[in-house]
Amino acid sequence: DSGVTQTPKHLITATGQRVTLRCSPRSGDLSVYWYQQSLDQGLQFLIQYYNGEERAKGNILERFSAQQFPDLHSELNLSSLELGDSALYFCASGGLGETQYFGPGTRLLVL
Amino acid sequence: GIQVEQSPPDLILQEGANSTLRCNFSDSVNNLQWFHQNPWGQLINLFYIPSGTKQNGRLSATTVATERYSLLYISSSQTTDSGVYFCAASLTGANSKLTFGKGITLSVRP
Repeated sequence: DSGVTQTPKHLITATGQRVTLRCSPRSGDLSVYWYQQSLDQGLQFLIQYYNGEERAKGNILERFSAQQFPDLHSELNLSSLELGDSALYFCASGGLGETQYFGPGTRLLVL
Repeated sequence: GIQVEQSPPDLILQEGANSTLRCNFSDSVNNLQWFHQNPWGQLINLFYIPSGTKQNGRLSATTVATERYSLLYISSSQTTDSGVYFCAASLTGANSKLTFGKGITLSVRP
């Protein structure tokens, strides 16, 4: 158990819909990272928050957004979903330049 | 950005055999991690090893930062070692985002 929790574990939805993925970091970690794992793109960095502020952006689509709340949990919002958004979404937490610990992931299926 | 390449892409072993997995990276790194993704999709941290050598049971890892490569050694492999092994790195002096290699798929046969 990494100490990072993610909910829900699985999500099945339809094209055009909007979903929210939730992540609670390990106790004491200020950084939250979101990654997407798909068959064609592999594991890709999406976005990083540090103590409530956006710190870095990767290949995150404009239809996707995220935030980190004062209690340090984070949410990833995916809207106008397309079939190609089906993937495993991971949240990780850690300090800057330190080990990143990954949550169990949310498996999203868009039908 | 940094490039991370892993080899070989696939590996088939008989239970009890030893193996070496390689990770090459294109630039100076301040973070290098090895992960094992099990058949259920979980990413398990194996090592945080931007330089030096570490051991944990049957697994050990070595990173030679000056030559930009890292090696993961698995000794006396077991069927539960099967899965995909990822190497991931982040650049020195940059934000901490990890760039992942494509992974090495390991199958250990009984």
